Amino acid sequence: QQQVKQSPQSLIVQKGGISIINCAYENTAFDYFPWYQQFPGKGPALLIAIRPDVSEKKEGRFTISFNKSAKQFSLHIMDSQPGDSATYFCAAKGSGGYQKVTFGTGTKLQVIP
Amino acid sequence: DTGVSQDPRHKITKRGQNVTFRCDPISEHNRLYWYRQTLGQGPEFLTYFQNEAQLEKSRLLSDRFSAERPKGSFSTLEIQRTEQGDSAMYLCASSLATSGNEQFFGPGTRLTVL
Repeated sequence: QQQVKQSPQSLIVQKGGISIINCAYENTAFDYFPWYQQFPGKGPALLIAIRPDVSEKKEGRFTISFNKSAKQFSLHIMDSQPGDSATYFCAAKGSGGYQKVTFGTGTKLQVIP
Repeated sequence: DTGVSQDPRHKITKRGQNVTFRCDPISEHNRLYWYRQTLGQGPEFLTYFQNEAQLEKSRLLSDRFSAERPKGSFSTLEIQRTEQGDSAMYLCASSLATSGNEQFFGPGTRLTVL
């Protein structure tokens, strides 16, 4: 059962454009929502994360928008660069001491010059 | 390199053989996690240790899988009687209990079962 749904599966964006990746979750017990970036042959690396008491978080060119009532969150990459080409995973983690992180299925982003 | 390390990076084995993978977490991290990632999918949680105690196990972790962290430092993941469906990337991550939720991932061990 997929608890975190991610779209699109793949995305091609022109250099300088905005990349947008969307995720939706079902479990209201989730209280931490990270985004991971993964390059081929590497493990995922944390990019940015948000808690549900905040509607938006920005770090450099990366912004998470969070809609608690709709149980949706999205990653915006501003001024996308070829070096941003990677697979991006949204994820969610529950509260109460549980450490399991549930990942989405991933979005393969290609930024073309 | 002070990150999470995993060994081996690649393993090819025949169906029915046993395999063991090792993970060395970041030195001061007391939490250690194992995930499995198949092609085109996100990582799936397998199990989690706090120090030497195994505190969470996924239903994905069948009886053929066993993980240990005997001294609360490195961990091993063993798969017995491997099946072709076990072919995947096995990722290890670690974190510090007092520093919040961030899990630091290693490069993974890619297992191919022929």
